Amino acid sequence: QVQLVESGGGVVQPGRSLRLSCAASGFTFSSFAMHWVRQAPGKGLEWVSFTLYDGSNNYYADSVKGRFTISRDNSKNMLYLQMDSLGVEDTAVYYCVCSQSNWYTIGYWGQGALVTVSS
Amino acid sequence: SSELTQDPAVSVALGQTVTITCQGPSLRNYFATWCQQKPGQAPIVVIFGNTNRPSGIPDRFSGSRSGSTASLTITGAQAEDEADYYCSSRDSSFSRVVFGGGTKVTVL
Repeated sequence: QVQLVESGGGVVQPGRSLRLSCAASGFTFSSFAMHWVRQAPGKGLEWVSFTLYDGSNNYYADSVKGRFTISRDNSKNMLYLQMDSLGVEDTAVYYCVCSQSNWYTIGYWGQGALVTVSS
Repeated sequence: SSELTQDPAVSVALGQTVTITCQGPSLRNYFATWCQQKPGQAPIVVIFGNTNRPSGIPDRFSGSRSGSTASLTITGAQAEDEADYYCSSRDSSFSRVVFGGGTKVTVL
């Protein structure tokens, strides 16, 4: 079965960096676009970024463009999110999400990693 | 602000039918996905491609699309269906995913 396991969350000071990782298994990772979606406490879902199946193109929400970098290693079935210049508004649970059938149709969600930006 | 619009909350009596809608221009041309999120849990997909139900999702969940509106119907709602439901699709012009604001379903 599909498994997506995030790691790397934690508490970080404003302006600092953090890197999230997502270990994927149970499907052909290299065939699917992958996303990061976040959810601030008590709020709805916000799409953050996605990378195409081969990592050739990456896309970002305006709220994180220039600060976050998505990447993937298909040889290791791993997805990453490098988050720089973090602000308190980036505090959220970050979900690793795989697509299905096309790049924008959500397939499966990871359990999430909590990132808290606080001084 | 979200480009997909959902009613914030809806209630349904146990065993009755409820329909949640999601409106947005991109839905006219692109597929909708519906995700269910229970408190403290990660979301799961209950409908994808407007009408398709993943394996393991009860058949009381169904989806449809008419014009720029996608709908999720729960026929014979159960207590365990109480959750937040989010629609998603893609932006009409840009390569990004968009989510609706979510609908909180309460089963009375």
